[in-house]
Amino acid sequence: QVQLVESGGRVVQPGRSLRLSCAASGFIFSNYAMYWVRQAPGKGLEWVTIISYDGNIKYYTDSVKGRFTISRDNSKNTLFLQMNSLRAEDTAVYYCARDLRVFWSGYPNYPMDVWGQGTTVTVSS
Amino acid sequence: DIQMTQSPSTLSASVGDRVTITCRASQSTSSRLAWYQQKPGKAPKLLIYDASSLESGVPSRFSGSTSGTEFTLTISSLQPDDFATYFCQQYNSYWTFGQGTKVEIK
Repeated sequence: QVQLVESGGRVVQPGRSLRLSCAASGFIFSNYAMYWVRQAPGKGLEWVTIISYDGNIKYYTDSVKGRFTISRDNSKNTLFLQMNSLRAEDTAVYYCARDLRVFWSGYPNYPMDVWGQGTTVTVSS
Repeated sequence: DIQMTQSPSTLSASVGDRVTITCRASQSTSSRLAWYQQKPGKAPKLLIYDASSLESGVPSRFSGSTSGTEFTLTISSLQPDDFATYFCQQYNSYWTFGQGTKVEIK
């Protein structure tokens, strides 16, 4: 079955780095754009970043530009999020998610149809 | 940036009720609007995309409609499994979520 499994979340001090992973299975990973979406405790959902199916196009929300980097390894069906210079406001559950359509290349956009269970990142001293 | 304003923030209803949730966009989204359901401790689930297209496997009691920049999610007859939080999301310009509507038992 189609599945996304995140890992790598933990407690980390402000200013430090963390790398999240998302293992995909049950579909042709290399055909789909992938997202990271986060949810702070008790709050709503926030789109963080997207990477195109081939890794050539990446967009970020303003609050993480220059600090976070999305990447993918299509040979290993794995999505990554490198998070540097972490702040308290980055504390959240981080979900990876799949694009609804195949071969997204910048526009039009689509919503997310498959989500992982999430991994928790806590930034605290 | 396109802002999404969802109302109400909380809704109390009973099984069998017809429930309506509204989302207003700060500018045109060209009907590029989705609705998600989220239960506590779980990931969101896509219900509707392109304002009114039902995602595969989603019960037909869920429907979406639009009038300009105002979007509506309707549950025709609320079921016990429907008590959850619902989010709208525009995807015309990047991706922006509404703040959510919690549907609770009356």
